[in-house]
Amino acid sequence: EAQVTQNPRYLITVTGKKLTVTCSQNMNHEYMSWYRQDPGLGLRQIYYSMNVEVTDKGDVPEGYKVSRKEKRNFPLILESPSPNQTSLYFCASSKGTGGFSYNEQFFGPGTRLTVL
Amino acid sequence: DQQVKQNSPSLSVQEGRISILNCDYTNSMFDYFLWYKKYPAEGPTFLISISSIKDKNEDGRFTVFLNKSAKHLSLHIVPSQPGDSAVYFCAASVGGAQKLVFGQGTRLTINP
Repeated sequence: EAQVTQNPRYLITVTGKKLTVTCSQNMNHEYMSWYRQDPGLGLRQIYYSMNVEVTDKGDVPEGYKVSRKEKRNFPLILESPSPNQTSLYFCASSKGTGGFSYNEQFFGPGTRLTVL
Repeated sequence: DQQVKQNSPSLSVQEGRISILNCDYTNSMFDYFLWYKKYPAEGPTFLISISSIKDKNEDGRFTVFLNKSAKHLSLHIVPSQPGDSAVYFCAASVGGAQKLVFGQGTRLTINP
């Protein structure tokens, strides 16, 4: 089954304790992206990756890191989480550049993070 | 600056009637628009899209209309069904690029 998986689904942590949220897709997609969803703000892009070893900042990158060592995986790293990073996080993937039909992004189920 | 705006946080519609969800954008460079549907505890799923060379696109009960001069798009659902109750996000991109800019979402509730 074609899917994007994220782990963990729920996480409660404390300020300053490094954490990683994993994301994996099995569709051989080139493009992967991380979003956060906050009330009244919709989905905002954190980081994205056009392909292996190619990553770039989205609209709200502060406090986050990513890496893309393999095509299928795109982990999100919070080196020193703070309470304002409490949010619902989504990973997404799509085929990549190649015209409009490639814009459909497939989303993972989400990770609800609480930073105390 | 919110480039894509959904000004109605919520909408309630009777089953069988038409649901109309609206979305406005400010960036005239946007040329591809998508609607996503999101159920609780799940990720958004793609619903329907439209490119700027069209003003209408239909897929079953779902139709998206694009008014470029007004920088406005709308999603029509006819007839509305209880399973349509969800949060709907509109999104836009430039030139087929992968970066999507999302609106705030509208929670649609279909009443029996």
